[in-house]
Amino acid sequence: QVQLVQSGAEVKKPGSSVKVSCKASGDTSSEYAISWVRQAPGQGLEWMGGILPIFGSTNYAQKFQGRVSITADESTSTAYMELNSLTNEDTAVYFCAKGKDSSGSQVWFFDIWGQGTMVTVSS
Amino acid sequence: DIQMTQSPSTLSASVGDRVTITCRASQSISGWLAWYQQKPGKAPNLLIYKASNLETGVPSRFSGSGSGTDFTLTINSLQPDDFATYYCQHYNSSPFTFGGGTKLEIK
Repeated sequence: QVQLVQSGAEVKKPGSSVKVSCKASGDTSSEYAISWVRQAPGQGLEWMGGILPIFGSTNYAQKFQGRVSITADESTSTAYMELNSLTNEDTAVYFCAKGKDSSGSQVWFFDIWGQGTMVTVSS
Repeated sequence: DIQMTQSPSTLSASVGDRVTITCRASQSISGWLAWYQQKPGKAPNLLIYKASNLETGVPSRFSGSGSGTDFTLTINSLQPDDFATYYCQHYNSSPFTFGGGTKLEIK
């Protein structure tokens, strides 16, 4: 069983960047698709984008295109999400989530989630 | 982008009740729909995928149905542990959007 462990909470200034990590442990023999989903305080879930290591490709929501970068280091089973040009509206909990499968239709819904990383943007 | 609309936004029910939550897509998503349960301060938990497939380990009182644009999540015989917020999510095409959520409260 795979587990996803995320890096700790961050406090950032407007205009800066944040990079959150998501390390897989357990059964890491397969290459899993990892997406990032965020949740602003008291709000719903918002898919930001994801990476498919098996294809070396990424898929970003248009809303975040140009401002987000999702990467993966297969040697350490760690995925990263970097978000640039932060504003107060980026204050949220950021979750990484594993696609149920690594290809096909089951890539883009999520059976295992990280614990979440709170990112606070404040001057 | 495909918009997902859930109703109701809040639902009050009692232990033992049967409840239904609706999710409507702005265009057809075939059966590419998942349902999640989320408790305060926790990550979401996958309940249902491909509209009606129960995720391993999820109690059989949860069931899903629908196709095209209209979907439902039904919980039979509500248990105390079921009071939470529920989200639908489509995975038909990017961006893979979520519904706004349905908060299930104890009556």
